[in-house]
Amino acid sequence: DTGVSQDPRHKITKRGQNVTFRCDPISEHNRLYWYRQTLGQGPEFLTYFQNEAQLEKSRLLSDRFSAERPKGSFSTLEIQRTEQGDSAMYLCASSPYGTSGNNEQFFGPGTRLTVL
Amino acid sequence: DAKTTQPTSMDCAEGRAANLPCNHSTISGNEYVYWYRQIHSQGPQYIIHGLKNNETNEMASLIITEDRKSSTLILPHATLRDTAVYYCIVFWDYGGSQGNLIFGKGTKLSVKP
Repeated sequence: DTGVSQDPRHKITKRGQNVTFRCDPISEHNRLYWYRQTLGQGPEFLTYFQNEAQLEKSRLLSDRFSAERPKGSFSTLEIQRTEQGDSAMYLCASSPYGTSGNNEQFFGPGTRLTVL
Repeated sequence: DAKTTQPTSMDCAEGRAANLPCNHSTISGNEYVYWYRQIHSQGPQYIIHGLKNNETNEMASLIITEDRKSSTLILPHATLRDTAVYYCIVFWDYGGSQGNLIFGKGTKLSVKP
């Protein structure tokens, strides 16, 4: 399968612990996105990379959140000192650098985080 | 905030066409209309997109009104596997540069046997 993969698929942690999620985009996709989705809501944008450069961050991304994409391939999203409000599905998507009108994003299956 | 308005839910009989409306009355000239869907417990899946003209692919058809203030996604022969939340998104697309997708709450389509 050459789609977007995310690891782990599920994570249960206690409040105050740190967690890290990994996303492997489709190879040769130079754009990578992180979204967060809570129950009953659509996904909300967190941050976006073009290659290794983090080009945009949502105000949802508090200072407890950090994302990296060190070599322009896989990305990690770390949440420090987790809070119960961080419980959500964390989605990763990737897309190629495309021409105007052709910018489909391919989503992974998500990591479901539960903070107890 | 999402720039689109969609009904919260719709039902469709299996084998019939599902017509999902979307209102985007404030759409600007260089914004595309994209449709994604999300089957339970999966990531969103791209369906189709368009700017002005109607579009068709193997999954669906997209009908955009002449004034571009609304559109309809058509699944010609809905199956039980089409049960999902469908998101209509307007997206500013300028020559290969892009930002993020802004999702609303979408329309929950239930296809019934």
